Amino acid sequence: EAEVAQSPRYKITEKSQAVAFWCDPISGHATLYWYRQILGQGPELLVQFQDESVVDDSQLPKDRFSAERLKGVDSTLKIQPAELGDSAMYLCASRPVSGRANEQFFGPGTRLTVL
Amino acid sequence: AQSVSQHNHHVILSEAASLELGCNYSYGGTVNLFWYVQYPGQHLQLLLKYFSGDPLVKGIKGFEAEFIKSKFSFNLRKPSVQWSDTAEYFCAVRGYGQNFVFGPGTRLSVLP
Repeated sequence: EAEVAQSPRYKITEKSQAVAFWCDPISGHATLYWYRQILGQGPELLVQFQDESVVDDSQLPKDRFSAERLKGVDSTLKIQPAELGDSAMYLCASRPVSGRANEQFFGPGTRLTVL
Repeated sequence: AQSVSQHNHHVILSEAASLELGCNYSYGGTVNLFWYVQYPGQHLQLLLKYFSGDPLVKGIKGFEAEFIKSKFSFNLRKPSVQWSDTAEYFCAVRGYGQNFVFGPGTRLSVLP
């Protein structure tokens, strides 16, 4: 079964540095989500894409976070500059348009540690 | 706005014990409800989902959940847990036209 790919799996960075995470959704999935999951909590939506367009970025801290999905396929989430409180798991999920359209399929996540 | 609460932060059971994890949501309209599981070191996986129809839904690995609309609840159950069920369990809701909202999770530890 196809899976959502994310890289890197782990990232350690120092405060004020820039970091970037990559996600490749399941082929054909038009909707892509980025979530942040702080240890001991559930995932919180950061941004939702429909194809290459941002549908919802109301919870994205836009002063330091940015996300793009230029060709409507893979996506990049960037943090610049990173802060200590950004340490978390960053999850990518995708959802098909039809069929199992109400299900999200999650990638393995990128665990970010900011020192 | 949608919200999800899960009753227990950490549940510890012995193998063969019965499991019930509570989930309550707040949303006034039609909802889709989900339970996801995250095994240690693995990514989130869908256990089961409710869209409409029979309020008792069955998922993978012997899990089931019951949607009680009057109580805004979607509790997860399993009659007899195994050590391999040790994981974190997340309830999620998606109101019509809304995004997914996850609960804080319940960590289940099953003792052999």
